[in-house]
Amino acid sequence: AQTVTQSQPEMSVQEAETVTLSCTYDTSESDYYLFWYKQPPSRQMILVIRQEAYKQQNATENRFSVNFQKAAKSFSLKISDSQLGDAAMYFCAYISGTASKLTFGTGTRLQVTL
Amino acid sequence: DSGVTQTPKHLITATGQRVTLRCSPRSGDLSVYWYQQSLDQGLQFLIQYYNGEERAKGNILERFSAQQFPDLHSELNLSSLELGDSALYFCASSVDIDPGLDEQFFGPGTRLTVL
Repeated sequence: AQTVTQSQPEMSVQEAETVTLSCTYDTSESDYYLFWYKQPPSRQMILVIRQEAYKQQNATENRFSVNFQKAAKSFSLKISDSQLGDAAMYFCAYISGTASKLTFGTGTRLQVTL
Repeated sequence: DSGVTQTPKHLITATGQRVTLRCSPRSGDLSVYWYQQSLDQGLQFLIQYYNGEERAKGNILERFSAQQFPDLHSELNLSSLELGDSALYFCASSVDIDPGLDEQFFGPGTRLTVL
């Protein structure tokens, strides 16, 4: 079974600084996708960024980028120029290329301070 | 706004009761997924329906059941409720042609409190 591990329950970053959230996963499949979801206080789940396992290039979406290390089964999220609106729970998630269920990590609560 | 609607937003009920949560997917999406977010279990997949048929099952209790209707809306039925069933229940939808590339859009969730 696939598992997703987030070892940082809480992180804090100052506004305009950079922070990296960690995620590791375990799978025996070769076709899969990885995601970072944001859950602000409103509880809405928002997709931040996606990485296809078959792509070597790390995904980037504006201030958000990932460091995908396939051999190490590591998938970290870097947030640059942090903003107050980035404060939220961040969930790392995995999906197989052949099945549609998302497997989530336990989440990292990100606090952004002035 | 993701385009996925869920009703009700909040539900408070007593142990032993039965409730129904409703989800309307985005226009054009054939797949509906149900997820449970609780303090104990985190975020976990319950069940998926695709165009009216059950496609995948996760950690869904036997007391829980779901269905997807011809108009593609879905209902999650929870019966013989226990205190531990208190959670946020999310519905998500997607076109589900390519599981990894097709984004799952999440609804706002239904907060269930069992007293």
